[in-house]
Formats: sequence, C-alpha cells, structure tokens
Amino acid sequence: NSKVIQTPRYLVKGQGQKAKMRCIPEKGHPVVFWYQQNKNNEFKFLINFQNQEVLQQIDMTEKRFSAECPSNSPCSLEIQSSEAGDSALYLCASSLSWGIGDTQYFGPGTRLLVL
Amino acid sequence: GDQVEQSPSALSLHEGTGSALRCNFTTTMRAVQWFRKNSRGSLINLFYLASGTKENGRLKSAFDSKERYSTLHIRDAQLEDSGTYFCAANTNTGKLTFGDGTVLTVKP
Repeated sequence: NSKVIQTPRYLVKGQGQKAKMRCIPEKGHPVVFWYQQNKNNEFKFLINFQNQEVLQQIDMTEKRFSAECPSNSPCSLEIQSSEAGDSALYLCASSLSWGIGDTQYFGPGTRLLVL
Repeated sequence: GDQVEQSPSALSLHEGTGSALRCNFTTTMRAVQWFRKNSRGSLINLFYLASGTKENGRLKSAFDSKERYSTLHIRDAQLEDSGTYFCAANTNTGKLTFGDGTVLTVKP
C-alpha cells in the first residue's frame, strides 16, 4: 500500500537528549507531512514540506523541533531536547501535492520513548 | 479548531454481518481519507474521497462536504477486518485532522 520508509522504528532517549528520525517519501512525492500520534490515538500535525521548503508548522515544532527535507536525502525530524511528553508515534506521510488534491501515504512510524 | 467526531469508538461484529462507521465534521472539509491500522501499526489507505461514494470489495465510503459527514460501510465482515479504523479530513491547507478511531472486533 505505502512505500514510505521511516527509520528507526523504535527510539529510546533520556530527557534532554536529542531524538532524530528519518523519512524517505514515496518516489516522486514532493510533499512530506509529519504527524504525532499519542497513546490515546490522537493525531497532531507537526510540519509539512514541499520539496525543501516548509509549508506549515505548529508552534511546538518551530520552537523545539528541527526538521528538513534536503534534496536527494531523507527528510528528518529532530527533537532538540526530548521531554517525557514527546513519547509518541511519529508518522511521516507523503503526497503528490498539498491541499486537497491527493492521498497522503503513511509510513510505519517511529515510536519514541523518552525515559 | 477543526474537529472530526468519529463514531462509534468501538464496534463488535459477527462474521458475515455489516455495519457503518461515521465521521461528522464541525466545519466544511474538502476531502476525507479512511485508514485501517494493521497489526503492525501501519496506516493502510482504504479510501480518498473529495465527494460522492467509492466502493472497494466489501467496503464502501461516502462523503458529503455540504452535510459535513463521511461514512464507511463494511459488509460481510471477516476476521481479518479487525483493527482500528480512522477517518481523516482535509480543509484547504493540506494537513489532515483525524478522528479518534473505531476499534472493530470481528468475532467468529
């Protein structure tokens, strides 16, 4: 169904540590989204890119996360200083376009545990 | 903010029966996606709709932007249909707003 690749599948960090995860979108998809899913199955949009450019991001992402989608390299999402509340499943999705035009395809996620 | 209200939160069906899941939207959405979370935790795409209805095997989905709802009908449920189903809706901004999910259990 989806060919989005996310690594690592699991990540364990201590509070205050950096936590970095990567995403390879489906081939030919220029738009990448990151979402956070908590233990209550609640999803939160974090940031999206079109090619290397940030389209939208929420406050939390702007202040505490570092994200990029460099040309010819995996996209990455990095928490600069992990907090216990960051423990969640981080999902990457890719699409042919942003807006309402196209299906978003999701990767399997990176499950982060902050001890 | 935009809200997606998904119901029911849990559903139990016997094999061979059917039912419907529903998502109501508090604002006008332009498109909806339905997913099933598989046993490995991955979100499997079921449908993308900008309007009307789509059918795929034993699943059928409808989306009415004006009336602010979408449905997912399952007929002739099989054991392998068990899992958590999510709807997610899209305004003009691209980002998806998800429902809280429906845990479907299909029993023999």
